[in-house]
Amino acid sequence: GESVGLHLPTLSVQEGDNSIINCAYSNSASDYFIWYKQESGKGPQFIIDIRSNMDKRQGQRVTVLLNKTVKHLSLQIAATQPGDSAVYFCAESHQAGTALIFGKGTTLSVSS
Amino acid sequence: DTGVSQDPRHKITKRGQNVTFRCDPISEHNRLYWYRQTLGQGPEFLTYFQNEAQLEKSRLLSDRFSAERPKGSFSTLEIQRTEQGDSAMYLCASSSGTSGSSGQETQYFGPGTRLLVL
Repeated sequence: GESVGLHLPTLSVQEGDNSIINCAYSNSASDYFIWYKQESGKGPQFIIDIRSNMDKRQGQRVTVLLNKTVKHLSLQIAATQPGDSAVYFCAESHQAGTALIFGKGTTLSVSS
Repeated sequence: DTGVSQDPRHKITKRGQNVTFRCDPISEHNRLYWYRQTLGQGPEFLTYFQNEAQLEKSRLLSDRFSAERPKGSFSTLEIQRTEQGDSAMYLCASSSGTSGSSGQETQYFGPGTRLLVL
Protein backbone atom coordinates (compact mmCIF):
# COMPACT_ATOMS: atom_id res chain seq x y z
CA GLY A 1 0.00 0.00 0.00
CA GLU A 2 0.96 3.68 -0.19
CA SER A 3 1.25 6.40 2.42
CA VAL A 4 -1.99 8.18 3.24
CA GLY A 5 -2.43 11.24 1.07
CA LEU A 6 0.23 10.25 -1.43
CA HIS A 7 -1.00 10.00 -4.99
CA LEU A 8 0.95 7.66 -7.24
CA PRO A 9 0.39 7.92 -10.99
CA THR A 10 1.10 4.22 -11.46
CA LEU A 11 0.68 1.11 -9.34
CA SER A 12 1.94 -2.34 -10.29
CA VAL A 13 0.73 -5.40 -8.41
CA GLN A 14 0.75 -9.16 -8.77
CA GLU A 15 -2.45 -11.04 -9.46
CA GLY A 16 -4.11 -11.94 -6.19
CA ASP A 17 -2.61 -9.05 -4.23
CA ASN A 18 -4.74 -6.33 -2.68
CA SER A 19 -4.45 -2.88 -4.30
CA ILE A 20 -4.86 0.49 -2.65
CA ILE A 21 -5.35 3.59 -4.78
CA ASN A 22 -5.28 6.97 -3.08
CA CYS A 23 -6.86 10.28 -3.94
CA ALA A 24 -6.77 13.70 -2.29
CA TYR A 25 -9.64 16.11 -2.87
CA SER A 26 -9.55 19.86 -2.52
CA ASN A 27 -13.02 21.18 -1.82
CA SER A 28 -14.20 21.02 1.79
CA ALA A 29 -17.77 21.44 0.54
CA SER A 30 -17.60 18.23 -1.49
CA ASP A 31 -19.98 15.69 -0.08
CA TYR A 32 -20.27 13.03 -2.77
CA PHE A 33 -17.40 10.97 -4.11
CA ILE A 34 -17.18 8.43 -6.90
CA TRP A 35 -14.52 6.05 -8.18
CA TYR A 36 -14.41 5.33 -11.91
CA LYS A 37 -12.40 2.76 -13.87
CA GLN A 38 -11.35 3.68 -17.38
CA GLU A 39 -9.94 1.15 -19.82
CA SER A 40 -8.03 2.27 -22.88
CA GLY A 41 -10.31 3.80 -25.52
CA LYS A 42 -13.42 3.57 -23.35
CA GLY A 43 -15.44 5.91 -21.18
CA PRO A 44 -15.19 5.93 -17.38
CA GLN A 45 -17.08 3.08 -15.75
CA PHE A 46 -18.74 3.58 -12.36
CA ILE A 47 -17.25 1.41 -9.59
CA ILE A 48 -18.48 2.67 -6.25
CA ASP A 49 -19.58 5.87 -4.56
CA ILE A 50 -19.73 7.25 -1.04
CA ARG A 51 -21.43 10.21 0.62
CA SER A 52 -19.81 12.39 3.23
CA ASN A 53 -21.98 11.02 6.04
CA MET A 54 -20.12 7.71 5.73
CA ASP A 55 -16.46 6.83 6.12
CA LYS A 56 -16.50 3.37 4.55
CA ARG A 57 -18.51 1.57 1.92
CA GLN A 58 -18.02 -1.90 0.50
CA GLY A 59 -18.90 -3.39 -2.83
CA GLN A 60 -17.93 -6.56 -4.58
CA ARG A 61 -14.15 -6.84 -4.06
CA VAL A 62 -13.91 -3.07 -3.61
CA THR A 63 -13.97 -0.84 -0.57
CA VAL A 64 -13.92 2.95 -0.50
CA LEU A 65 -12.64 4.80 2.55
CA LEU A 66 -13.27 8.48 3.16
CA ASN A 67 -11.29 10.60 5.59
CA LYS A 68 -12.85 14.03 5.69
CA THR A 69 -10.36 15.36 8.21
CA VAL A 70 -7.49 15.15 5.75
CA LYS A 71 -9.67 15.21 2.62
CA HIS A 72 -8.52 11.84 1.47
CA LEU A 73 -10.24 9.03 -0.40
CA SER A 74 -8.97 5.55 -1.11
CA LEU A 75 -10.10 2.59 -3.18
CA GLN A 76 -9.14 -0.88 -2.07
CA ILE A 77 -9.41 -3.75 -4.53
CA ALA A 78 -9.20 -7.22 -3.04
CA ALA A 79 -7.59 -10.13 -4.89
CA THR A 80 -6.65 -7.98 -7.86
CA GLN A 81 -7.13 -9.62 -11.25
CA PRO A 82 -5.60 -8.85 -14.68
CA GLY A 83 -9.01 -7.51 -15.75
CA ASP A 84 -8.64 -4.80 -13.11
CA SER A 85 -5.82 -3.21 -15.13
CA ALA A 86 -7.01 0.27 -16.07
CA VAL A 87 -6.78 3.92 -15.08
CA TYR A 88 -8.71 4.72 -11.90
CA PHE A 89 -10.11 8.20 -11.24
CA CYS A 90 -11.71 9.60 -8.14
CA ALA A 91 -14.31 12.34 -8.63
CA GLU A 92 -15.99 14.73 -6.21
CA SER A 93 -19.08 16.88 -6.31
CA HIS A 94 -21.23 18.82 -3.89
CA GLN A 95 -24.91 19.47 -3.46
CA ALA A 96 -24.76 22.95 -4.91
CA GLY A 97 -22.68 21.86 -7.86
CA THR A 98 -23.21 20.04 -11.09
CA ALA A 99 -19.93 18.97 -12.52
CA LEU A 100 -17.86 16.10 -11.30
CA ILE A 101 -14.34 17.25 -10.52
CA PHE A 102 -11.91 14.50 -11.39
CA GLY A 103 -8.64 13.85 -9.60
CA LYS A 104 -5.44 12.68 -11.17
CA GLY A 105 -5.75 9.15 -12.45
CA THR A 106 -3.77 6.16 -11.26
CA THR A 107 -2.79 3.51 -13.77
CA LEU A 108 -3.10 0.06 -12.22
CA SER A 109 -1.12 -2.73 -13.88
CA VAL A 110 -1.77 -6.29 -12.77
CA SER A 111 0.66 -8.97 -13.78
CA SER A 112 0.01 -12.71 -13.69
CA ASP B 1 -27.51 -2.25 -24.38
CA THR B 2 -29.29 0.35 -22.25
CA GLY B 3 -26.24 2.44 -21.38
CA VAL B 4 -25.21 5.83 -22.72
CA SER B 5 -24.34 5.69 -26.42
CA GLN B 6 -22.32 8.13 -28.50
CA ASP B 7 -21.86 8.50 -32.20
CA PRO B 8 -19.47 8.53 -33.95
CA ARG B 9 -16.86 6.75 -31.89
CA HIS B 10 -14.03 8.31 -33.88
CA LYS B 11 -13.81 11.42 -36.03
CA ILE B 12 -10.88 12.75 -38.04
CA THR B 13 -11.30 16.20 -39.54
CA LYS B 14 -9.25 18.97 -41.00
CA ARG B 15 -8.69 22.23 -39.19
CA GLY B 16 -11.46 24.70 -39.92
CA GLN B 17 -14.17 22.11 -40.51
CA ASN B 18 -17.30 21.76 -38.39
CA VAL B 19 -18.09 18.54 -36.55
CA THR B 20 -21.16 17.31 -34.68
CA PHE B 21 -21.38 14.55 -32.11
CA ARG B 22 -24.46 12.83 -30.80
CA CYS B 23 -25.23 11.40 -27.36
CA ASP B 24 -28.14 9.18 -26.39
CA PRO B 25 -28.48 9.03 -22.59
CA ILE B 26 -29.82 6.17 -20.53
CA SER B 27 -33.55 5.96 -21.10
CA GLU B 28 -35.54 8.27 -18.79
CA HIS B 29 -32.46 10.03 -17.47
CA ASN B 30 -33.33 13.70 -17.23
CA ARG B 31 -29.82 15.06 -16.76
CA LEU B 32 -27.15 15.00 -19.43
CA TYR B 33 -23.55 16.20 -19.27
CA TRP B 34 -20.73 16.75 -21.72
CA TYR B 35 -17.07 16.43 -20.72
CA ARG B 36 -13.79 16.65 -22.59
CA GLN B 37 -10.79 14.47 -21.83
CA THR B 38 -7.30 14.98 -23.16
CA LEU B 39 -4.59 12.35 -23.07
CA GLY B 40 -3.41 11.52 -19.56
CA GLN B 41 -5.95 13.76 -17.84
CA GLY B 42 -9.28 13.25 -16.15
CA PRO B 43 -12.49 14.42 -17.81
CA GLU B 44 -13.28 18.16 -17.61
CA PHE B 45 -16.84 19.43 -17.47
CA LEU B 46 -18.21 21.32 -20.48
CA THR B 47 -21.96 21.69 -20.10
CA TYR B 48 -25.11 20.28 -18.46
CA PHE B 49 -28.76 19.85 -19.42
CA GLN B 50 -31.78 19.14 -17.33
CA ASN B 51 -34.38 17.93 -19.78
CA GLU B 52 -34.08 20.35 -22.72
CA ALA B 53 -32.72 23.27 -20.71
CA GLN B 54 -29.00 23.97 -20.80
CA LEU B 55 -28.39 25.03 -17.21
CA GLU B 56 -24.65 25.36 -16.95
CA LYS B 57 -21.69 25.96 -19.22
CA SER B 58 -18.01 25.79 -18.35
CA ARG B 59 -15.55 28.50 -19.35
CA LEU B 60 -13.94 25.74 -21.43
CA LEU B 61 -16.90 25.95 -23.77
CA SER B 62 -15.76 28.60 -26.23
CA ASP B 63 -18.04 30.38 -28.68
CA ARG B 64 -17.17 27.77 -31.28
CA PHE B 65 -18.90 25.09 -29.22
CA SER B 66 -22.65 24.69 -29.04
CA ALA B 67 -24.74 21.97 -27.47
CA GLU B 68 -28.42 21.22 -27.78
CA ARG B 69 -30.95 18.82 -26.36
CA PRO B 70 -34.09 19.81 -28.26
CA LYS B 71 -36.56 17.22 -27.01
CA GLY B 72 -34.94 16.42 -23.71
CA SER B 73 -33.67 13.07 -24.92
CA PHE B 74 -30.58 12.89 -27.17
CA SER B 75 -28.07 15.73 -27.29
CA THR B 76 -25.67 17.07 -29.91
CA LEU B 77 -22.38 18.87 -29.45
CA GLU B 78 -21.14 20.90 -32.40
CA ILE B 79 -17.69 22.37 -32.80
CA GLN B 80 -17.33 25.01 -35.48
CA ARG B 81 -14.05 25.94 -37.21
CA THR B 82 -12.16 23.15 -35.44
CA GLU B 83 -8.63 23.77 -34.20
CA GLN B 84 -5.89 21.28 -33.45
CA GLY B 85 -6.34 22.03 -29.76
CA ASP B 86 -9.85 20.59 -29.97
CA SER B 87 -8.40 17.11 -30.41
CA ALA B 88 -9.65 15.14 -27.43
CA MET B 89 -12.14 12.51 -26.28
CA TYR B 90 -15.62 14.00 -25.89
CA LEU B 91 -17.60 12.17 -23.25
CA CYS B 92 -21.30 12.27 -22.54
CA ALA B 93 -22.83 11.21 -19.23
CA SER B 94 -26.34 11.03 -17.87
CA SER B 95 -27.95 10.83 -14.46
CA SER B 96 -31.46 10.05 -13.35
CA GLY B 97 -32.63 13.49 -12.34
CA THR B 98 -34.56 12.10 -9.37
CA SER B 99 -32.36 13.79 -6.79
CA GLY B 100 -32.94 17.43 -5.93
CA SER B 101 -29.37 18.17 -6.89
CA SER B 102 -27.35 16.91 -9.83
CA GLY B 103 -24.34 17.12 -7.57
CA GLN B 104 -25.68 14.16 -5.60
CA GLU B 105 -26.31 11.77 -8.48
CA THR B 106 -24.17 9.11 -10.09
CA GLN B 107 -23.20 10.07 -13.61
CA TYR B 108 -22.92 7.20 -16.08
CA PHE B 109 -20.61 7.75 -19.00
CA GLY B 110 -20.77 6.74 -22.62
CA PRO B 111 -17.85 5.33 -24.62
CA GLY B 112 -16.86 8.76 -25.93
CA THR B 113 -16.11 10.24 -29.33
CA ARG B 114 -12.43 10.60 -30.08
CA LEU B 115 -11.76 13.67 -32.23
CA LEU B 116 -8.55 14.24 -34.13
CA VAL B 117 -8.09 17.57 -35.87
CA LEU B 118 -5.37 17.57 -38.51
